[in-house]
Amino acid sequence: GIQVEQSPPDLILQEGANSTLRCNFSDSVNNLQWFHQNPWGQLINLFYIPSGTKQNGRLSATTVATERYSLLYISSSQTTDSGVYFCGGGSYNQGGKLIFGQGTELSVKP
Amino acid sequence: NAGVMQNPRHLVRRRGQEARLRCSPMKGHSHVYWYRQLPEEGLKFMVYLQKENIIDESGMPKERFSAEFPKEGPSILRIQQVVRGDSAAYFCASSPSDFSYEQYFGPGTRLTVT
Repeated sequence: GIQVEQSPPDLILQEGANSTLRCNFSDSVNNLQWFHQNPWGQLINLFYIPSGTKQNGRLSATTVATERYSLLYISSSQTTDSGVYFCGGGSYNQGGKLIFGQGTELSVKP
Repeated sequence: NAGVMQNPRHLVRRRGQEARLRCSPMKGHSHVYWYRQLPEEGLKFMVYLQKENIIDESGMPKERFSAEFPKEGPSILRIQQVVRGDSAAYFCASSPSDFSYEQYFGPGTRLTVT
């Protein structure tokens, strides 16, 4: 089955810094999402991005499907960005279930 | 449009009891997925259901776990004879149709087995 690798596993930033999180897939996916799990455990949808580039405020994401990776960019980070970022990928012919990476734990210091 | 609802949010069970977790998908969504997050770990797929059908249960433990999504009412994840290793956060997600697999997650149920 599909395997998902996220990097880096941990990241500490000073408020205002930029960062790039990466997600690699072992096989082609046509269903790909990024999530933020906040310190209270809630999973927040960030992007549904099986291909291309999307932006939402200070966050943007790019997926290069042919090369089996996706990137999440966080600009001008804030302390409220802290938490764990997960990517999940899957295939429509497997019902779209998401296989998740182990996450990147981000800590933004004031 | 209300989001995915799960209840209870927190559930404490003694070893050997049964746990029932409920999930109401977003309005208009006919696909339901259950995922489990063990402490300090990522999310693992358990089961994918459509109304009255289990489509993929490849991630479900073979014993004690079952899931259903009846024609009326919420989806239920049932764990019989719980053990301490079942302590985890259980998340439900829903998606609209065969043409869109974007998943929206509920707040989760945190199960603690004592």
